[in-house]
Amino acid sequence: QLQVVESGGGVVQPGTSLRLSCEASRFTFISYGFHWVRQAPGKGLQWVSFISSDGNNKYYADSVKGRFTISRDNSKNKVDLQMNGLRTEDTALYYCAKIKGPDAFELWGQGTMVTVSS
Amino acid sequence: DIVLTQTPVSLSVTPGQPASISCKSSQSLLHSDGKTYLSWYLQRPGQPPQLLIYEVSNRFSGVPRRFSGSGSGTDFTLKISRVEAEDFGLYYCMQYMQPALTFGGGTKVDI
Repeated sequence: QLQVVESGGGVVQPGTSLRLSCEASRFTFISYGFHWVRQAPGKGLQWVSFISSDGNNKYYADSVKGRFTISRDNSKNKVDLQMNGLRTEDTALYYCAKIKGPDAFELWGQGTMVTVSS
Repeated sequence: DIVLTQTPVSLSVTPGQPASISCKSSQSLLHSDGKTYLSWYLQRPGQPPQLLIYEVSNRFSGVPRRFSGSGSGTDFTLKISRVEAEDFGLYYCMQYMQPALTFGGGTKVDI
């Protein structure tokens, strides 16, 4: 079964860092771009970041630009999101999503929870 | 950033009846490549979102025919011809205009 699995979430203090990972299985990983999307508790969906299939194109939401860095390791079928300078407003469930097309997030993981609290 | 406004915010539907959700964009979603990248997702409680419609009107693989998408420019609609029990949840529209994407605020569909 095609799947993506997120990991790396946890409870951290403001100003600290966390690295999320998204591991993919049973499809040709190198052919696809990936997004990170987050959802604060009880709130809607917010796009966070995108990386293209070859890793050369990376985009970020204004709210995380300069603090978060997306990367991928095609040899390990993995996409990472390095989150620095975490703020309380970054508290959310972070989803990794594989794309079929520019607006088609066809495969989502179950998410990994990040809680930023003092 | 482009703002997507979904209406209604919530919708109570009787199974077997139709339902319609509107998604209005703050600017045209016609991309420079000639396509319009507006998609729809359903999120059931405790689950990740799932893709229903992409590029305004293309049903994703396995999505029932009762779901249809339409629209152009700034106005888009998701229609369910006859709502079934499994259709209840939160619906989101999403747009792609490089480099940023935005989601609508969501529409809760319940009984």
